Amino acid sequence: AQSVTQLDSHVSVSEGTPVLLRCNYSSSYSPSLFWYVQHPNKGLQLLLKYTSAATLVKGINGFEAEFKKSETSFHLTKPSAHMSDAAEYFCVVSDATSGTYKYIFGTGTRLKVLA
Amino acid sequence: NAGVTQTPKFQVLKTGQSMTLQCAQDMNHNSMYWYRQDPGMGLRLIYYSASEGTTDKGEVPNGYNVSRLNKREFSLRLESAAPSQTSVYFCASNRPTLDTQYFGPGTRLTVL
Repeated sequence: AQSVTQLDSHVSVSEGTPVLLRCNYSSSYSPSLFWYVQHPNKGLQLLLKYTSAATLVKGINGFEAEFKKSETSFHLTKPSAHMSDAAEYFCVVSDATSGTYKYIFGTGTRLKVLA
Repeated sequence: NAGVTQTPKFQVLKTGQSMTLQCAQDMNHNSMYWYRQDPGMGLRLIYYSASEGTTDKGEVPNGYNVSRLNKREFSLRLESAAPSQTSVYFCASNRPTLDTQYFGPGTRLTVL
């Protein structure tokens, strides 16, 4: 069965410093992986998506993630944090083994950006 | 294009009351989903519908029922609400050939 583990429940960075949010996945086949962001009291917005094309995926707002099969990881990075990046981030893997896409969410990482 | 819409945005119920959460999408998507979000637990799948007329249980279906009324609409019903169902509920949809989900704005439900 597919699963994802977000290794940090909370991450704090200073504005202007790099962001690293870690995600490991477990999948019996080549997975599709996603990162979503949720700002306080808002819905979920897709940041980026990996579907077996390029292993380095660029998303919105300067975020990118690298798919590393050997490490079963899909970490999210951004070179320079902005105050507006403060939000909760979810790593997601899709599971199509039943013939219909289902999505398994990680437990989330809350990013705090310090001025 | 409104995308995925949900009603109501907020609701307070007493234990034992019933209610239906409504979801509609105007993107002609076949698949629709209901999730609940609780602190520290991410989103957990309650029910999903691969197409009009079909529904399947997800990870946490107990205490809920769903109806896929037509291709656009997918409702979630709580027959006898319990405090454990206090949560934020999200509806989502996607096309079968494109596995990106689109989410509604959520319904914040409190059961007293």
